[in-house]
Amino acid sequence: GAVVSQHPSRVICKSGTSVKIECRSLDFQATTMFWYRQFPKQSLMLMATSNEGSKATYEQGVEKDKFLINHASLTLSTLTVTSAHPEDSSFYICSVERNTEAFFGQGTRLTVV
Amino acid sequence: SQKIEQNSEALNIQEGKTATLTCNYTNYSPAYLQWYRQDPGRGPVFLLLIRENEKEKRKERLKVTFDTTLKQSLFHITASQPADSATYLCARPNTGNQFYFGTGTSLTVIP
Repeated sequence: GAVVSQHPSRVICKSGTSVKIECRSLDFQATTMFWYRQFPKQSLMLMATSNEGSKATYEQGVEKDKFLINHASLTLSTLTVTSAHPEDSSFYICSVERNTEAFFGQGTRLTVV
Repeated sequence: SQKIEQNSEALNIQEGKTATLTCNYTNYSPAYLQWYRQDPGRGPVFLLLIRENEKEKRKERLKVTFDTTLKQSLFHITASQPADSATYLCARPNTGNQFYFGTGTSLTVIP
């Protein structure tokens, strides 16, 4: 398997500020990590694919300038929500995939006030 | 586009009964389907994978089936317990080494 650690687990920020979420693969070198967003009672929606050493691949409708992704090492990917607004409030989850199985972080509950 | 649908948004059953959750997919059959459990405020946890050429797979009280004719997977929990209450997601592989998740079924096991 793989162990994925995500930090912070929850964060409250003021509108207009930026928030950084970290995703670490603790026991597996992940060249690719995935970032999802989940609104209440909805499924996971893939936002972007984080690629180690290169630019992230964003899904249609996801603003790359707003959701900055950095994958500087094989064990760490970060998602920065820039100029956050209340509509960005959601549950953000990262994952790595290994041997046809997805391993998820604990998730980050972002609340923008 | 490949779709995956979980028909029931919520399911309530009595403790001890068998819970059956449904996952339907469109277009071509995926090489495999997966089932995950998600508790509130947590990331999903992998439960089972069933391949296209497998009719059924079991793991303790869990059983998954894969019917390529009906384009459907069923997920059963036998002798259900209140601790089984959670949201269950099915997923299929998508392009680019990703997974596409269904909307999930929220299961509540009533003591």
